[in-house]
Amino acid sequence: AIRMTQSPSSISVSTGDRVTITCRASQGISSYLAWYQQKPGKAPKLLIYAASTLQSGVPSSFSGSGSGTDFTLTINCLQSEDFATYYCQQYYNYPYTFGQGTKLEMK
Amino acid sequence: EVHLLESGGGLVQPGGSLTLSCVGSEFSVSGYAMSWVRQAPGKGLEWVSSISSSGGTTYYAESVQGRFIVSRDNSKNTLYIQMSSLRAEDTAVYFCARDRCSVANCPSDFWGQGTLVTVSS
Repeated sequence: AIRMTQSPSSISVSTGDRVTITCRASQGISSYLAWYQQKPGKAPKLLIYAASTLQSGVPSSFSGSGSGTDFTLTINCLQSEDFATYYCQQYYNYPYTFGQGTKLEMK
Repeated sequence: EVHLLESGGGLVQPGGSLTLSCVGSEFSVSGYAMSWVRQAPGKGLEWVSSISSSGGTTYYAESVQGRFIVSRDNSKNTLYIQMSSLRAEDTAVYFCARDRCSVANCPSDFWGQGTLVTVSS
């Protein structure tokens, strides 16, 4: 199975900050990479797919980049509602695999 | 608005069985592959299984292969997962999700709220 490694595992940030989360795949996955946001007690929400395509309704403050093995999620001008845990997922092949998550904490 | 509603979770003894259901509304599940993803208490997301729109192709995580069976009834707009030989490590919230395509290699764009399965004696 393809292993997805996110960093950092958690980060302390403030509203208005620019946040960057990285995700590395153990083998090349082209652009078959999605990012999800999850808030406590809630279902995950798709933010970005195909590494850089914004899902409908997602604010443009979110952006994704990368291909192959290295990917990045960037959140510009962090808002209070953006405090959550973020997961990357590869859907290049089965079994689909998720990163371990990155939790945004308030500084 | 697209909606998915899971049901069937609960407390089950180790070695027992349980079937979860997921009903879609405001869209036809027949056009989409569907997936199950679980999350153990305080842990991250784990993909469990996917099924193509026709039901003709299924995929499973190694951790559930041979114990779980995913199926669908498009006439009822419903997805199922039959879970048997349950173990303590199967304890999790189980989410059903709609994939963005009909076959494979797609992320999940809509998710249900999840149903909790607890495996304990």
